Amino acid sequence: KAGVTQTPRYLIKTRGQQVTLSCSPISGHRSVSWYQQTPGQGLQFLFEYFSETQRNKGNFPGRFSGRQFSNSRSEMNVSTLELGDSALYLCASSLSHNPGSYGYTFGSGTRLTVV
Amino acid sequence: GESVGLHLPTLSVQEGDNSIINCAYSNSASDYFIWYKQESGKGPQFIIDIRSNMDKRQGQRVTVLLNKTVKHLSLQIAATQPGDSAVYFCGGGGSYIPTFGRGTSLIVHP
Repeated sequence: KAGVTQTPRYLIKTRGQQVTLSCSPISGHRSVSWYQQTPGQGLQFLFEYFSETQRNKGNFPGRFSGRQFSNSRSEMNVSTLELGDSALYLCASSLSHNPGSYGYTFGSGTRLTVV
Repeated sequence: GESVGLHLPTLSVQEGDNSIINCAYSNSASDYFIWYKQESGKGPQFIIDIRSNMDKRQGQRVTVLLNKTVKHLSLQIAATQPGDSAVYFCGGGGSYIPTFGRGTSLIVHP
């Protein structure tokens, strides 16, 4: 079965712009979680969506937002980009909300560079 | 909240040696701990997990040890191979969404 698909793989944006990243979960998975990965901070949780509802949110400013569609695909948006937003953004899907250790499958990520 | 971190950013080993990657966590709220492997250009892949009521769990060439007294977790890789070169990071989860450390880059020299 197809894995978690994230598009685009790479993005270069200018400070002040906004960006939208997409994540298609594994077929049948209803939960999508987003993480930001940087060398200095590691993997940091952004938010989780389950059945089109945001279930959990990490400690990120309001410039970071997301949504989930009825087909479980999810998008995250970052507005007014800052240089510090440069990172690898990872999406993980699971069958259910907070499925435990076995349940998360990660995509390959979107590498965002802000210049 | 939970805080999970790794001790060393880089670990270099010779092919065939055993590797030990360490991790510390800040509180005892986790129901489980996980290890992920991330190769260059790829997303993290699940390696092994351990429930918080266990001390040791073995997989294929990997062993995870949990020491709740000192809040320490380790991943042991036996007979390390070049294909094991990657970033390894630990995470903890339970009633909350998993949190992860920064990662240790394992470099395997032939």
